[in-house]
Amino acid sequence: DTEVTQTPKHLVMGMTNKKSLKCEQHMGHRAMYWYKQKAKKPPELMFVYSYEKLSINESVPSRFSPECPNSSLLNLHLHALQPEDSALYLCASSSSGTGYEKLFFGSGTQLSVL
Amino acid sequence: TQLLEQSPQFLSIQEGENLTVYCNSSSVFSSLQWYRQEPGEGPVLLVTVVTGGEVKKLKRLTFQFGDARKDSSLHITAAQPGDTGLYLCAPRGGQNFVFGPGTRLSVLP
Repeated sequence: DTEVTQTPKHLVMGMTNKKSLKCEQHMGHRAMYWYKQKAKKPPELMFVYSYEKLSINESVPSRFSPECPNSSLLNLHLHALQPEDSALYLCASSSSGTGYEKLFFGSGTQLSVL
Repeated sequence: TQLLEQSPQFLSIQEGENLTVYCNSSSVFSSLQWYRQEPGEGPVLLVTVVTGGEVKKLKRLTFQFGDARKDSSLHITAAQPGDTGLYLCAPRGGQNFVFGPGTRLSVLP
């Protein structure tokens, strides 16, 4: 199994809603990542978890709250988002998070904030 | 801060044509990865290059790493509509997880 599974595929939420994005992998990887991708732009790194500890936080606003319950799961909790947060949110995993290995990406969650 | 550029930004060609896209940096790469992202999907790794001057081939795709390890190119021979997508270069090493700005390729049948 070389898949990274993200749910939901699409999400529409209001600015006062609370929602969560979920990501799962069963490749035994110990590093997991959240990226944000706006239309016609490259993915931008948000967070890196390595061995279930947050190792990189790219100064992301606190309305985005990551959580890594175990080595296979990664969540992104969303609260009080703004319309400019509408984007494709990509989850990825890699074997250990050293920065040299291959990243495996999910298909993303397309988020629209109204 | 490493400045990373990709050119061209956009490229639209006919099926059967050849093309080359470039990735350039202000700093030396420890290693470099190329990814392709198709519409509605996440990026998929195509290749990792590590050694200056290295050339790797993947079917119709040829990847070259510059001797000074500050630039790389991707050449596609006889492009097909299935090659359409966003081509991203990604310097790797030292907890570096960023991507270049990308080249958006459209191959028309």
